[in-house]
Amino acid sequence: EAQVTQNPRYLITVTGKKLTVTCSQNMNHEYMSWYRQDPGLGLRQIYYSMNVEVTDKGDVPEGYKVSRKEKRNFPLILESPSPNQTSLYFCASSGRYSGANVLTFGAGSRLTVL
Amino acid sequence: QKEVEQDPGPLSVPEGAIVSLNCTYSNSAFQYFMWYRQYSRKGPELLMYTYSSGNKEDGRFTAQVDKSSKYISLFIRDSQPSDSATYLCAFAVSGGYNKLIFGAGTRLAVHP
Repeated sequence: EAQVTQNPRYLITVTGKKLTVTCSQNMNHEYMSWYRQDPGLGLRQIYYSMNVEVTDKGDVPEGYKVSRKEKRNFPLILESPSPNQTSLYFCASSGRYSGANVLTFGAGSRLTVL
Repeated sequence: QKEVEQDPGPLSVPEGAIVSLNCTYSNSAFQYFMWYRQYSRKGPELLMYTYSSGNKEDGRFTAQVDKSSKYISLFIRDSQPSDSATYLCAFAVSGGYNKLIFGAGTRLAVHP
C-alpha cells in the first residue's frame, strides 16, 4: 500500500530533551515536507526537500532540523524542544507522476512538550 | 490581512443537506486550488483539485473557483454522515513543487 509512515504517533517529552520524528514513504516521491497543525492556524510548513540532500526552510523552521540522506526518509529533529513546539505534526510527500500539488500525508504525530 | 481565510465552523447539518464550504484569499498569484479532507486522527487527503476559474464536479462534490472575487467553494450534495470531517482549502502558485498555503479548516458534522 502506498503510504507515508510517521513515528511515533504520540509523544510526551520534557523541555530540552532531543527527539526525532521519523517519516518514510514508499512511493519513490521526490518531494517531502513537514507541517505542523495548530488550532486556528491551519497547516504551516516547517521544512521541505526537493530531493536527496536538498532541503530548505518553510514558514516556521525555528527550533527544527531535517535531513534527507535517502529518498524515502525525511526525519524531523527537535534538538531542544520547548512547550511552544507542542503541536500535531504531519509529514507529506508528492511525486512528478502523481502531481506536485497532490500531497500524500502521514497519519500525524502528536507531540506534547512539558 | 491573512493570505487565506476560512470559516472554522463547526458546521452541523442533517443528512441529505447541501453543504457549502468557502475560502477567500488575497494572493492573486494562486493558480491551483485544492480541497483536502481530514478525518479525526488522520492526515489530510486530497479531495478536489482545480486549475484556474470555473467548476469541477466529482460525484456529490463540486469545486468552484472565482478568481475575480478571490473566492473558492466546495459544495457537497446529499451529505452523508461519512462526510463528517474537517475540510481544508489549499492554494498553490504553480503546478510544480512548491509550498501549499492551507486554510485553517472547517469542521463539518453531518447527523443522521
